[in-house]
Amino acid sequence: NAGVTQTPKFRILKIGQSMTLQCTQDMNHNYMYWYRQDPGMGLKLIYYSVGAGITDKGEVPNGYNVSRSTTEDFPLRLELAAPSQTSVYFCASSYSLGGELFFGEGSRLTVL
Amino acid sequence: AQKITQTQPGMFVQEKEAVTLDCTYDTSDPSYGLFWYKQPSSGEMIFLIYQGSYDQQNATEGRYSLNFQKARKSANLVISASQLGDSAMYFCAMRALDNAGNMLTFGGGTRLMVKP
Repeated sequence: NAGVTQTPKFRILKIGQSMTLQCTQDMNHNYMYWYRQDPGMGLKLIYYSVGAGITDKGEVPNGYNVSRSTTEDFPLRLELAAPSQTSVYFCASSYSLGGELFFGEGSRLTVL
Repeated sequence: AQKITQTQPGMFVQEKEAVTLDCTYDTSDPSYGLFWYKQPSSGEMIFLIYQGSYDQQNATEGRYSLNFQKARKSANLVISASQLGDSAMYFCAMRALDNAGNMLTFGGGTRLMVKP
């Protein structure tokens, strides 16, 4: 049972580059989320999705885009990377609105 | 606005003893969920336990139990029979349940260190 899988686990970007963080879950969850965790802090919501074809902004969406073409996949796109986007990114999913969130292992991104 | 407070930045516990990690919260939403996550040094977020605001009984999951006192707005995590592998950061979090976009608000975390 893979759960939530994120790739890559580590990545270094130069300022202005773009990249996509991949996230896939095999639990048939409707709800998926992208969070970022800055050093010593809790998580902040970037984008979320309540089902295929439906996405919406969270607390800190600027500089990111998402898509949800299937139930399983929820990629996060970084356009024109900036040093402020250096963080650990977590993808998560849940079966229901009130259910627990299952997190991927995180993707550590450094922008230099 | 939601707020989570964890007043213990770090704690030591002797192996095999029980430990309580404090969490208080503040919200005006009537329907919310409370979560505890463990983050070991490897960085992943591991879900431990969940308590809904309307749940009548305190949640339990193996060695983890949640001491939910709604009137006092506290949701303390109790770990029984501590193990060396319990050494990690522990985050309390809450989310209002009326909208999928409500952010999961995290406390500042408590670093638990289990002594052999």
